[in-house]
Amino acid sequence: GEDVEQSLFLSVREGDSSVINCTYTDSSSTYLYWYKQEPGAGLQLLTYIFSNMDMKQDQRLTVLLNKKDKHLSLRIADTQTGDSAIYFCAESVYSSASKIIFGSGTRLSIRP
Amino acid sequence: DADVTQTPRNRITKTGKRIMLECSQTKGHDRMYWYRQDPGLGLRLIYYSFDVKDINKGEISDGYSVSRQAQAKFSLSLESAIPNQTALYFCATSDYGTPDYGYTFGSGTRLTVV
Repeated sequence: GEDVEQSLFLSVREGDSSVINCTYTDSSSTYLYWYKQEPGAGLQLLTYIFSNMDMKQDQRLTVLLNKKDKHLSLRIADTQTGDSAIYFCAESVYSSASKIIFGSGTRLSIRP
Repeated sequence: DADVTQTPRNRITKTGKRIMLECSQTKGHDRMYWYRQDPGLGLRLIYYSFDVKDINKGEISDGYSVSRQAQAKFSLSLESAIPNQTALYFCATSDYGTPDYGYTFGSGTRLTVV
């Protein structure tokens, strides 16, 4: 079946790098996503990676994909207080009529 | 104006009452979805619609119904609300024609059933 798992909490010091990890089960995933949810708001697409890529970089964000281990990570360099949010890993799966399956979300908190 | 608008933003209702949550979009997307968010459980799909005549159940559709009144409007109903339907509800849209099928989310409706 389809399942996306991620840890619930992560705390990092301001200025350090944050690494949020995710594992998924469906090997037919086409796209993998990271969404960000700020307090009181909906989810916003942060970045995505196509399943035939192993890395994507976008300014402070680096996405790494290990298809063999079905592991996805999001690295945020120089973490700032504005990065405090819940980060959702998600996958789109053809076998599910192109629905997106979300993980439980990782709450990132920044300490001074 | 927001691309995906949900109304109301907050609602408190009593057990047994019927309630409707509304969603409208200006993206021109064919696909619309209703999710609920519970702490520690992420987003779970309730219903989805790929066009006006195509409505499908998601993983947790029991106790809910939907209506796709037009391409731009997708409403979610709780026929007889119960306390464990207290949650944050999100509407989302997507465009199958875009390479990444990325969703656009509304700001959510916080529903409390007492």
